Amino acid sequence: EAGVAQSPRYKIIEKRQSVAFWCNPISGHATLYWYQQILGQGPKLLIQFQNNGVVDDSQLPKDRFSAERLKGVDSTLKIQPAKLEDSAVYLCASSPISIGYGYTFGSGTRLTVV
Amino acid sequence: GQNIDQPTEMTATEGAIVQINCTYQTSGFNGLFWYQQHAGEAPTFLSYNVLDGLEEKGRFSSFLSRSKGYSYLLLKELQMKDSASYLCAVRGSGNTPLVFGKGTRLSVIA
Repeated sequence: EAGVAQSPRYKIIEKRQSVAFWCNPISGHATLYWYQQILGQGPKLLIQFQNNGVVDDSQLPKDRFSAERLKGVDSTLKIQPAKLEDSAVYLCASSPISIGYGYTFGSGTRLTVV
Repeated sequence: GQNIDQPTEMTATEGAIVQINCTYQTSGFNGLFWYQQHAGEAPTFLSYNVLDGLEEKGRFSSFLSRSKGYSYLLLKELQMKDSASYLCAVRGSGNTPLVFGKGTRLSVIA
């Protein structure tokens, strides 16, 4: 089966600019996650979708971050305006609804804010 | 809330056995996961434990003790390609998202 697709692979922007990331999950996976991974740390959840509804966005900095999942399939994550501390890898993952399945992660987008 | 602790770095010799420990404190528990992450790559799923005991999968085994809030990942017959970060992640109650530890960076040396 095809994996989780993410683009772009790398992005460099200046602070205060905006940026968007795209994710296409594995076909049939109802649940989609966006995680932020700062260098040397574990992934930190930003938002969880189930189909096209938000399940958990408690850790999403809503003053600058937004996310949507179109028709319960693709998802986009946007940052506007970006700050230096947003430099990180943004990982998208998907899983079936059933408990017990590990997530499948995409290759991530490495964002550098200068 | 949830708190997950694992050592920051470990070094082991090719061909040896290494045990990576993980302790956790969670409100509710519905599974512990181990992931492998090579530098610059996405995490890949290694194992899942929800009941106490040992799960073996080839050279990798994972153990869970729910009463102690403790898990370990055991890697046997270490190979150079096992050099990577190993992430411990816990799911709280229900189908809540995984919470990850900071990862253990394992270096395998000749």
